[in-house]
Amino acid sequence: EVQLVETGGGLIQPGGSLRLSCAASGFIVSSNYMNWVRQAPGKGLEWVSIIYSGGSTYYADSVKGRFTISRDNSKNTLYLQMNSLRVEDTAVYYCARVGSGYGGEFDYWGQGTLVTVSS
Amino acid sequence: SYVLTQPPSVSVAPGKTARITCGGNNIGSKSVHWYQQKPGQAPVLVIYYDTDRPSGIPERFSGSNSGNTATLTISRVEAGDEADYFCQVWDSSSDVVFGGGTELTVL
Repeated sequence: EVQLVETGGGLIQPGGSLRLSCAASGFIVSSNYMNWVRQAPGKGLEWVSIIYSGGSTYYADSVKGRFTISRDNSKNTLYLQMNSLRVEDTAVYYCARVGSGYGGEFDYWGQGTLVTVSS
Repeated sequence: SYVLTQPPSVSVAPGKTARITCGGNNIGSKSVHWYQQKPGQAPVLVIYYDTDRPSGIPERFSGSNSGNTATLTISRVEAGDEADYFCQVWDSSSDVVFGGGTELTVL
């Protein structure tokens, strides 16, 4: 059974750093396209970042230069390193798998982890 | 960057048909995926590649995509269908794009 479990969220001051983890089971993270998607309170979904199976990474303009997506193949885990956090980064962060390659659907999502950036 | 436009809200009576649109420039040339999200829960895929339905999703959910509009259609709407619905595409300039979401209210 495919499962994604995010951890690492919490309350952090503006300018701080946080690392989110997404532990996967039932499939191999490095063989899939993996994403981070966030949702600010009461708002819609916003794509944040993707890491392709080949290792290429891409970011939304809103987080480029501040966030880094990575994976640990030995732990089958996806990460999001978030630096220089801003109040507007406050959101629930979901990890999600692409089911069928480029252009495909997000077929599995984690339950999300809440990041609150506030002084 | 590519923009997807959804109506903020759609209301429908139980047993009727709900249609949720997703507008984008020549969206008919892209593959559209739809997600349902209930309060406090993660999104769930309900339609992929314009018209395909994942296992476990009722046949009442269907999709279409042509020209500048993709549509999610929910037939014989039930109270349990009340949720937010998001469309999503891939775009060469923006990677992944989500629509702003539509809140479906069952009257």
